[in-house]
This record gives sequence, C-alpha cells and structure tokens, in this order.
Amino acid sequence: GDSVTQMEGPVTLSEEAFLTINCTYTATGYPSLFWYVQYPGEGLQLLLKATKADDKGSNKGFEATYRKETTSFHLEKGSVQVSDSAVYFCALRGSGGYNKLIFGAGTRLAVHP
Amino acid sequence: GAVVSQHPSWVICKSGTSVKIECRSLDFQATTMFWYRQFPKQSLMLMATSNEGSKATYEQGVEKDKFLINHASLTLSTLTVTSAHPEDSSFYICSAIIGLAEFQETQYFGPGTRLLVL
Repeated sequence: GDSVTQMEGPVTLSEEAFLTINCTYTATGYPSLFWYVQYPGEGLQLLLKATKADDKGSNKGFEATYRKETTSFHLEKGSVQVSDSAVYFCALRGSGGYNKLIFGAGTRLAVHP
Repeated sequence: GAVVSQHPSWVICKSGTSVKIECRSLDFQATTMFWYRQFPKQSLMLMATSNEGSKATYEQGVEKDKFLINHASLTLSTLTVTSAHPEDSSFYICSAIIGLAEFQETQYFGPGTRLLVL
C-alpha cells in the first residue's frame, strides 16, 4: 500500500543554518504531496503542497519539489529561525480515497539561537 | 483562517470507562471530519471518516464498536472510546474539510487530545 518515509529526528540546527528534511514515498498512480507543520500546542497546519511531478511547493521560505523519478519530496529552507522549531510531517493523498492522507512519522526540528 | 478545536486536550481515565472527545469547527461548516490516532514517534493513522448526518466510515482494523463516532451537526463530531483499556492510550487528532470533500485537498487539524488509560 501507499506509504511515506521521512528522516528521523530530532534535527537540531543553529539559527540561519540550511535545513533539509528528507521524505520519500511509495504510491500507485499520481498522488498529491504535502508538508504539514505542528507547532507546540497547536494543530497540524498545511505548510506547502505539490500536486504533480516537478511542481515546487513553497511557503514561508520553505520549498519542496515533487520528484517522481526518485519518489521524493524533500523539505528545504535556506536559513532557519528559532520560530521554525516544530514537528514537520510529510504526507500524501493516496489512491485509497478522495481525501485520505497518509503521513510520515514526523521530524522534530529544534533551532537554537 | 479555519480553526478546529478539540476538547479535552488531555484526559486520564480508569480502565473500563468510556471517554468522549469533541471536535469542533469554530468558524466554518464541516461536512466531513476525520479522526486520527498517533502513537509516540509514529505516523498519524486515519481511524475513520465522519460525515454529517450519516454513519462514519472506518478504516480496516479499527473497531467501530470500540470507537464510536457521531457527527450530529456541521460543526461537531465526537469520538467515544468505549470500555477503554491501557492499549487505547494515544494521541487522538481530528481534522475537518470546508465544503465538498472531493474538491478539497486541505484538511484543518485540531490540536489533539492525549488519552491515558490507567
């Protein structure tokens, strides 16, 4: 079945460092791909998405490119801030239902000043 | 923006008791809501899809008699964990969609409810 694998955390970075969180997926057909972020004490929020191959989703300085050839959707940011500290979830909307999301395990990011 | 709340945020109960968790869409009407559970360091797993005015659709392996879902209005869905046992201890999260589910990709998530069964 469809699945998402993302790198284990926690990821600890200094402010202004470059961030990469890897995400790969297994799916039949042509899934849509998402990154969600969960700040402490809050619900998951959609960070960005891409709906077809080679699309690039971007928001708040974060980017991810839908790579069908490598089945990947890695999250990147050029210069992280302390306020980016959160848990990041990669997800896909699979073929099992019109809105069924399949999530990775989440990666905790801690950014220090 | 669209806000989803959950109540309570955490609950501790004795084994054998039932616990009800509420999920509310505060500023929009949600025809469809979803219930997930998350074990420590694991993915969110979809438990069921809750449609207003009809029976919930449960994922394979989820006991519908154990996890009762009621979506009685366009702003409220409830999950009742019946006869809870320690293995039901988990983080339960709901989400909601604005409008028609087949046209909407964005789910709005609640902050989650942590359940501990002693």
